[in-house]
Amino acid sequence: KNEVEQSPQNLTAQEGEFITINCSYSVGISALHWLQQHPGGGIVSLFMLSSGKKKHGRLIATINIQEKHSSLHITASHPRDSAVYICAPSERFKTSYDKVIFGPGTSLSVIP
Amino acid sequence: GAGVSQTPSNKVTEKGKYVELRCDPISGHTALYWYRQSLGQGPEFLIYFQGTGAADDSGLPNDRFFAVRPEGSVSTLKIQRTERGDSAVYLCASSQQTGPDTQYFGPGTRLTVL
Repeated sequence: KNEVEQSPQNLTAQEGEFITINCSYSVGISALHWLQQHPGGGIVSLFMLSSGKKKHGRLIATINIQEKHSSLHITASHPRDSAVYICAPSERFKTSYDKVIFGPGTSLSVIP
Repeated sequence: GAGVSQTPSNKVTEKGKYVELRCDPISGHTALYWYRQSLGQGPEFLIYFQGTGAADDSGLPNDRFFAVRPEGSVSTLKIQRTERGDSAVYLCASSQQTGPDTQYFGPGTRLTVL
C-alpha cells in the first residue's frame, strides 16, 4: 500500500463547479502540504496545515489527523486552476527534520 | 524578496558527461532540499541540507550523484558519468526551519541526457 493516496487521479470539471480532491496517508505526520504544479511549470506551495482548516481565496484545505485524511476544495473553479495538485505529508525523520512524502498528484482540468 | 532560483533552466548533455546544477535558496533559509521529478511522476527526494551539512542523503540513487552546500547558502548537485535515465527535472526547495515549514520550490532544471 502506498504511503500517500489521492483521489481522483484525474478530474475534469466545468468552470464554476466546486471541486474536491482527497488525500489519505498512512504515516504519522507533523504537517501536510498541498502543492500546485501547472503543466510545464514549477511547484507552488498552496497550504501547510497540521490541524483543522485553512482558507486562501477560493481554496480551502482541511485535515483530520485521527482519520489521516485531508481534502483540498476549490470553489467557483476557473480554467486557470487547471494543474496537478499534490498532497505531501511531512514525516518527522530521525528526530531532526521533517521529510516530505509526495502523493501521486491529481490532474485537474477545468473547461470553460 | 527573490524566490528560489535554479540554473541552468535547461541542460542537454551527452551520455557519460559530468553536469552541475545550481540552486540559490531564499536568503536566510536554513533547510535546502533537492528532488527529482521524472515525466508524469511526482517529485522524489534526493538530499536534504541543514546548513552546510547533508543531514540526509538517502535519496541519492547512486554514487554518481553528489551535492554540496559549502557556505550554507548556494547548493550544487553534481552528476558524474550521466546516463539517459538521469533525464528529469531537478527541483530545489528551501525552508526557513527544519521543522514543519512551508517549502519554497525553485523552477527546476530540466536535464536531458542524450
